[in-house]
Amino acid sequence: GDSVTQMEGPVTLSEEAFLTINCTYTATGYPSLFWYVQYPGEGLQLLLKATKADDKGSNKGFEATYRKETTSFHLEKGSVQVSDSAVYFCALSDQRGYSTLTFGKGTMLLVSP
Amino acid sequence: KAGVTQTPRYLIKTRGQQVTLSCSPISGHRSVSWYQQTPGQGLQFLFEYFSETQRNKGNFPGRFSGRQFSNSRSEMNVSTLELGDSALYLCASSFTPAPTDTQYFGPGTRLTVL
Repeated sequence: GDSVTQMEGPVTLSEEAFLTINCTYTATGYPSLFWYVQYPGEGLQLLLKATKADDKGSNKGFEATYRKETTSFHLEKGSVQVSDSAVYFCALSDQRGYSTLTFGKGTMLLVSP
Repeated sequence: KAGVTQTPRYLIKTRGQQVTLSCSPISGHRSVSWYQQTPGQGLQFLFEYFSETQRNKGNFPGRFSGRQFSNSRSEMNVSTLELGDSALYLCASSFTPAPTDTQYFGPGTRLTVL
């Protein structure tokens, strides 16, 4: 079945550091890929998405490129802020025509001033 | 536009009881999905509803059930609660059930089973 693997956290960075959170997936066909972010005590917020190979999703300085050849969707940001501290989830959509999302385990990011 | 709302936000129940959680999707959204989030298992899919029909169901026991109303609001019910049902239950809505359509999540209902 479909699966998503994310790097384990926590990822600890200083403010203005470069961020990469790795995400790889296993799926047949061409799923849509998503990054969601969860702040403490809140639900999930969509950060960005890509629906086909080589698409780049971007939002709030975060970027991720859908790499079919490496089955990856790594999240990057050039300069993190303390306010970026949260848990980040990589997810893929069901390919049987459902909107069901399969999530990775999540990666906690801690940014210190 | 108002976001996805879930009620109640917090619930405390005892083993053996049953519970009903409610979700109101974003106006105009007709697809609603439910997920369970726990520290051990992460985010797991429960159900997907569209136009009052359950289109997909995750691997959960029959104690977990749900429904969707004609106004797209959805409820999920858990009967005979077990300690392991303690979790954050998240509802998500989208305009359509298409895999490319973005799902917007509510703040969740935190269920604690004692």
